Amino acid sequence: DQQVKQNSPSLSVQEGRISILNCDYTNSMFDYFLWYKKYPAEGPTFLISISSIKDKNEDGRFTVFLNKSAKHLSLHIVPSQPGDSAVYFCAASGVGGTSYGKLTFGQGTILTVHP
Amino acid sequence: DAGVTQSPTHLIKTRGQQVTLRCSPISGHKSVSWYQQVLGQGPQFIFQYYEKEERGRGNFPDRFSARQFPNYSSELNVNALLLGDSALYLCASSLVMPGTAGNTIYFGEGSWLTVV
Repeated sequence: DQQVKQNSPSLSVQEGRISILNCDYTNSMFDYFLWYKKYPAEGPTFLISISSIKDKNEDGRFTVFLNKSAKHLSLHIVPSQPGDSAVYFCAASGVGGTSYGKLTFGQGTILTVHP
Repeated sequence: DAGVTQSPTHLIKTRGQQVTLRCSPISGHKSVSWYQQVLGQGPQFIFQYYEKEERGRGNFPDRFSARQFPNYSSELNVNALLLGDSALYLCASSLVMPGTAGNTIYFGEGSWLTVV
């Protein structure tokens, strides 16, 4: 039962262009969403988050968009840099029920930014 | 400030053995959770502790256990190791009570466990 899905295993982008990473969820109890970046042999690093009461949150080059009706969120990176090459995980959490206090992760998307 | 610290970083165990992994949360964080990540997948939730009490448990067998100490550090124990337990074990900490809206969770570097 994959409650958070990242359907694109990989994405390749040219340096300076926009990277768009997508994530879908099925559990309507989720109300807080996070994006993590992970390099090999390291733990996930928190990037940006969004609450379900918002539809957009920006932090520098990173913007997360949330479409609650579609149960879809996306991470935009503009402009993309070679150092952004990593695995990106979407994660969701919720209050109450089986989502209480834990993160449910997607499978990850490998982003490669070419110089 | 130090982030989430975990030890050991790498270890190799034999099937049937037991392993203990350790974690120190970010200073001031009272919630610690554990995740397992196998290659090609996202991290899977194992346990969450807050104020030394278990607040959540994922879909893992009873061979997995954990505890949180008065200083909020934590240990994850796995008994009767199987080959399939080989994974990266991640510890994470957060400031606020589990289930609180906007609860950002910060991860350590992980402990790589190989079972042979």
